[in-house]
Amino acid sequence: EVVMTQSPATLSVSPGERASLSCGASQTVGRNVAWYQQKPGQAPRLLLYGASTRATDIPDRFSGSGSGTGFTLTISSLQSEDFAVYYCQQYNNWPLTFGGGTKVEIK
Amino acid sequence: QVQLVESGGGLVKPGGSLRLSCAASGFTFSDYYMGWIRQAPGKGLELISYISSSGNTLIYSDSVRGRFTISRDDATNSLFLQMNTLGAEDTAVYYCARTNIRARRTFDYWGQGILVTVSS
Repeated sequence: EVVMTQSPATLSVSPGERASLSCGASQTVGRNVAWYQQKPGQAPRLLLYGASTRATDIPDRFSGSGSGTGFTLTISSLQSEDFAVYYCQQYNNWPLTFGGGTKVEIK
Repeated sequence: QVQLVESGGGLVKPGGSLRLSCAASGFTFSDYYMGWIRQAPGKGLELISYISSSGNTLIYSDSVRGRFTISRDDATNSLFLQMNTLGAEDTAVYYCARTNIRARRTFDYWGQGILVTVSS
């Protein structure tokens, strides 16, 4: 099983600042990584797939990079609605696996 | 618009069974692979089952294989999860999710989730 490790567990950021979230895979997964956002009491929302392709209606302040075993989600200028938990997911190998999440909180 | 609505959750005793349903609308259900993903209280996400558009490919996580069965009925645009021999470790919010047609192992629409609690 591919283990996805996200860091940091919690990121404290001021509105308007840039946030960078990391996700590492225990073995290479190519560019087959997706990112999701989850707000309290809500279902996850797909942000990115293919490491860097934005899903439908996702604003361009969300961007992704990486390949192989290291990936980054960057939020260029945090808006109030961006404070949430973010999960990465690899879909290169079965079982599909998710990281443990990074909580982005208001500083 | 795409809608996924889960039902059938609730409180069940250890060893019991439940059948979750997911009613899909707003898209051509028969064209899409679908999945069930769960989230234990305060924890992360776990894909537990996945079904191809034809229904011929069924995938289960190790944690539920042999106890849970995924199925679909394209005539009624419904996805199901039959859960047997439930244990406390199955307590979670269960989400029905549609796969992203551009990357079939990612999930672009999710239901609101349904809580399953296994407790005596």
